[in-house]
Amino acid sequence: GNSVTQMEGPVTLSEEAFLTINCTYTATGYPSLFWYVQYPGEGLQLLLKATKADDKGSNKGFEATYRKETTSFHLEKGSVQVSDSAVYFCALIVTGGYNKLIFGAGTRLAVHP
Amino acid sequence: NAGVTQTPKFQVLKTGQSMTLQCAQDMNHEYMSWYRQDPGMGLRLIHYSVGAGITDQGEVPNGYNVSRSTTEDFPLRLLLAAPSQTSVYFCASSRDRGNEQYFGPGTRLTVT
Repeated sequence: GNSVTQMEGPVTLSEEAFLTINCTYTATGYPSLFWYVQYPGEGLQLLLKATKADDKGSNKGFEATYRKETTSFHLEKGSVQVSDSAVYFCALIVTGGYNKLIFGAGTRLAVHP
Repeated sequence: NAGVTQTPKFQVLKTGQSMTLQCAQDMNHEYMSWYRQDPGMGLRLIHYSVGAGITDQGEVPNGYNVSRSTTEDFPLRLLLAAPSQTSVYFCASSRDRGNEQYFGPGTRLTVT
């Protein structure tokens, strides 16, 4: 079946530290991959996406590269800020059929000054 | 352009009560979905719709009903609330298949 596995949190970092949140997937067909972010008390917002192998999605200093050979889509940021504290969800959509998003469990990030 | 709106933001129900969670979008999106978010489980799809008059079940549909009489609205009905339905509920919409989904702010439901 289709599934997403992401690293357990919480991840606690100091401001300006480097961030990596690991995400691997299992999918039939050719999925599109997404990172969503949920700030406290809010709904999910799309952070970035990639629709085919070797694509790099980027937004607000965050990046993730679609790696088909390792079935991964790791999220990275070179220098985190306190305002990046949130829960990050990796997700996929398998092309064909309804566009059902399949989510990972989420990783909570806490950034301290 | 309000995007996806949900009401209420918070709700407490007693076991056996029924209620409707409202969802509306003003982006003329054909695809709408309901998810529930539980700790450590990400979001799981309850029901979805690919257009007015068309709905289908997701992975956790039991205890919930939906209808889609207009493009804009997609209400979720809890028929006989149970404590297992305590969760945060999100409505989402997208322009078409495979595209970005836009989420509402969520409804936090507690069933006692």
